[in-house]
Formats: sequence, C-alpha cells, structure tokens
Amino acid sequence: DGGITQSPKYLFRKEGQNVTLSCEQNLNHDAMYWYRQDPGQGLRLIYYSQIVNDFQKGDIAEGYSVSREKKESFPLTVTSAQKNPTAFYLCASSTRQGEEQFFGPGTRLTVL
Amino acid sequence: GNSVTQMEGPVTLSEEAFLTINCTYTATGYPSLFWYVQYPGEGLQLLLKATKADDKGSNKGFEATYRKETTSFHLEKGSVQVSDSAVYFCALIQAINYGGSQGNLIFGKGTKLSVKP
Repeated sequence: DGGITQSPKYLFRKEGQNVTLSCEQNLNHDAMYWYRQDPGQGLRLIYYSQIVNDFQKGDIAEGYSVSREKKESFPLTVTSAQKNPTAFYLCASSTRQGEEQFFGPGTRLTVL
Repeated sequence: GNSVTQMEGPVTLSEEAFLTINCTYTATGYPSLFWYVQYPGEGLQLLLKATKADDKGSNKGFEATYRKETTSFHLEKGSVQVSDSAVYFCALIQAINYGGSQGNLIFGKGTKLSVKP
C-alpha cells in the first residue's frame, strides 16, 4: 500500500531537548511538507521541499530544521529554540508543488 | 494575500439533517479549491476538490461548487450521519504562475461538526 507514515504517533520530551519527527512516503512524490496544528488555528506551514536536497521555509520556520537527503524522507527537528513546541505535527506530500497534497497520520508532541 | 475563511463551529446537527459549511476565499487568478476532513486523532483526508470555475466536486454524498463570482466553495450534504462527525477544512492552492504562496496549500481554521443520533 502506498502512503505516508509518521512515527511515533505520540512523543514526549523534556524542555530544552531537540527532537526529530519522522516522515516517510512511498508515493514517489517530489514535494513534501510539514505543518503544525494547534487547536482553533488550522494548519500552518513550517517547511516544504520541492525536490531532494532543497527546502524552503514556510510561515513559521523559526525553531525548526529539516533535511531532504532522500526523496522518500523529510524529517523535522524541533529544536530547543522553538518557544512553544507542544502541538500536533502533520507531514504531507504531493506529486509536485501546486498539486493536491496527501497527509500522514500525524505525530502529537508534548514537551514537559 | 491569499486567504480562506470558514464559518466558525462547532456545528451540531441531528442525524439525517442537511449540512452546509460556508467557505469563501481571497486569491489572485484561478486557485484550485479543496475540502479536507480530519477525524479525531488522525491526519487529513482529501474529501473533494475543484480546479476551475463552476466545477462541482463530490464524494461520499458531500458536494461543493467552485463559484468564482462569489469566491465561494461551500460544502453541502443532504443527510448527515453520526460517522460524519469530524473537523472539515477548506483550502486553496494558488496557481504557481501567480506567485504568492508558490503553490502551497492555504487552509481555513476548520469547522468541527458533531452529528447526534
């Protein structure tokens, strides 16, 4: 089955620690995205990548970093510089930028 | 800039009631329009889409028509079920050659629907 996987589903970290969220897709999509979802605020774009070894900042990139070394993988690191990291994080992909996006199941990060 | 405005929820309906969730947008040119649905604790699923004016997207009994004259894409369903309880997001993708969001999804804030038996 083709799709997008995110792991883990729930993640707990202590304040001040960096944490990396996994996103893998086997849809052969060129473009991948990371969103943050907070209650009542919809989804906000953190980073996106149109192609391997290239990525751009979205609307709320501060305190986050990404890499795109492989077409299938787009991990997101939440750094200690992110002031309020507790949120639901969603990864998505599309055949290319501008096409409809397909979403993973999400990772709920709680910073204690 | 580009934006999407949805009616605020929560919306509570009885089973078999008629559903309308309003969505209007601001964008340059001719964006593609989408409705996504999110069930509790899950990611987003594409419900339906429309890529040009007067197109009607439909899926699972839901419909929405791309109205350029009113810049709207309202979601409707004739008879809701308890299983339709979820959060619904309206979204647009700005055409890349119009710049701005560079072809990224712009979301509304979501509308929570609860259907009671």
